[in-house]
Amino acid sequence: DVKVTQSSRYLVKRTGEKVFLECVQDMDHENMFWYRQDPGLGLRLIYFSYDVKMKEKGDIPEGYSVSREKKERFSLILESASTNQTSMYLCASSFLLAGGPEDEQFFGPGTRLTVL
Amino acid sequence: EDQVTQSPEALRLQEGESSSLNCSYTVSGLRGLFWYRQDPGKGPEFLFTLYSAGEEKEKERLKATLTKKESFLHITAPKPEDSATYLCPTSGSRLTFGEGTQLTVNP
Repeated sequence: DVKVTQSSRYLVKRTGEKVFLECVQDMDHENMFWYRQDPGLGLRLIYFSYDVKMKEKGDIPEGYSVSREKKERFSLILESASTNQTSMYLCASSFLLAGGPEDEQFFGPGTRLTVL
Repeated sequence: EDQVTQSPEALRLQEGESSSLNCSYTVSGLRGLFWYRQDPGKGPEFLFTLYSAGEEKEKERLKATLTKKESFLHITAPKPEDSATYLCPTSGSRLTFGEGTQLTVNP
C-alpha cells in the first residue's frame, strides 16, 4: 500500500514564525503536492513538484515556498506564518503518466496548523 | 475555468436506505474523475477512478458512474461506517475539487 506520511498531525505556531511541514512517500512517486483545506473552500493546491528540485506554483502559492531535495520528500515552508494560514494542510503523491490519463493521488493524514 | 459542483451538501440516511450523490463538472480536456472519502480530521482516501463516459466501478456498497457532464456515487444499503465526506475531483490541467457531500448514516 502507498504510504504518505506527514511530520505532525497538530502544530501550533506564533505569527511571524518560520514553519516547516514535511511530507514523505514510500512508493517512488514522481509527483508530490501540497494542498490546504478550509471549510467552504474545499481543497486548494498550493505547490506541486514533478521531479527532484522542480516546483510549480498552484492556485494559492502566496506566503509559501517548497523544497524537494529528494524524490520521496516534499517540504512546505511558511516563511512568516500569519493567522490566515491556520488550516488543514494535506500532502499527496502520484505516479507521473506520460501523456495518458491522470493517475490517482494518495493523500497523507494531514497537519492541522494553528497560527496564533 | 474548471469547476466541480457536488450535491447535496449534506445527506442523512437511515441504515439500509439507498441513495446517490451527484458530482457535476465542467472541465476542458477531462483526463479522469476520482472519488475519495474523507473522515473527519484525516486525509482523503482513494475509492475510484473513471476515465470515460459510460464507465462504471464498484466496491462493496459503492458504485460510481460517469457521463459527459456528471458522475454519480450510488450507495446501496449503507451502513453507519459509510458516514464520511465524499469528494469527486476531476483532472484537467490539474485536480479540481468541489466541496464534497457530507454523508451521515444513522443506525
